[in-house]
Amino acid sequence: AQTVTQSQPEMSVQEAETVTLSCTYDTSESDYYLFWYKQPPSRQMILVIRQEAYKQQNATENRFSVNFQKAAKSFSLKISDSQLGDAAMYFCAYRSYGGATNKLIFGTGTLLAVQP
Amino acid sequence: GAVVSQHPSWVICKSGTSVKIECRSLDFQATTMFWYRQFPKQSLMLMATSNEGSKATYEQGVEKDKFLINHASLTLSTLTVTSAHPEDSSFYICSASPPSGRVPYEQYFGPGTRLTVT
Repeated sequence: AQTVTQSQPEMSVQEAETVTLSCTYDTSESDYYLFWYKQPPSRQMILVIRQEAYKQQNATENRFSVNFQKAAKSFSLKISDSQLGDAAMYFCAYRSYGGATNKLIFGTGTLLAVQP
Repeated sequence: GAVVSQHPSWVICKSGTSVKIECRSLDFQATTMFWYRQFPKQSLMLMATSNEGSKATYEQGVEKDKFLINHASLTLSTLTVTSAHPEDSSFYICSASPPSGRVPYEQYFGPGTRLTVT
């Protein structure tokens, strides 16, 4: 079975600085997807960034980028130029490649605080 | 695109009563929807996978007679908490997957429903 581990329960960053959130996973599959979701105090789950495992190039979305190391089974999220609105719980998630019923497997989350 | 709604956003019910939560995909059809439960400061726990026109698939440890799931159409799934007790108080989140897109069957989440049982 696949597992996702986030070893940092809480992180803090100064506004405008850069922070990296860690995520490791375990799988025997070769094709899969990885995601970072943000959950602000409203508790609405928001997709931050996605990575297809077959792509070697790291995904980027504006200030958000990932460092995907497939052999090491590592998928970290870098937030550049941190803003107060980035304060939230961040979840790393894994999903097998394939059909509609494939589940998302979530890590335990990292609570990010942004200091003004 | 890919908007998922939930209703109600917050419900308070008395112990022993039943409460129904609706999950709708507003601009796409979803053969599969997922129901999650989340306790404060914890991760999402998958309760069940809801399949249109067939029985839901429950995760191990989830009481299927207590958490009734019905996926009556391609845009609506409902979760009914029967004979609710205070320990059922939690935040319930649904998600739905459109069949097309950059990542096929990527999950889009509803805003969640806060259930308080008194």
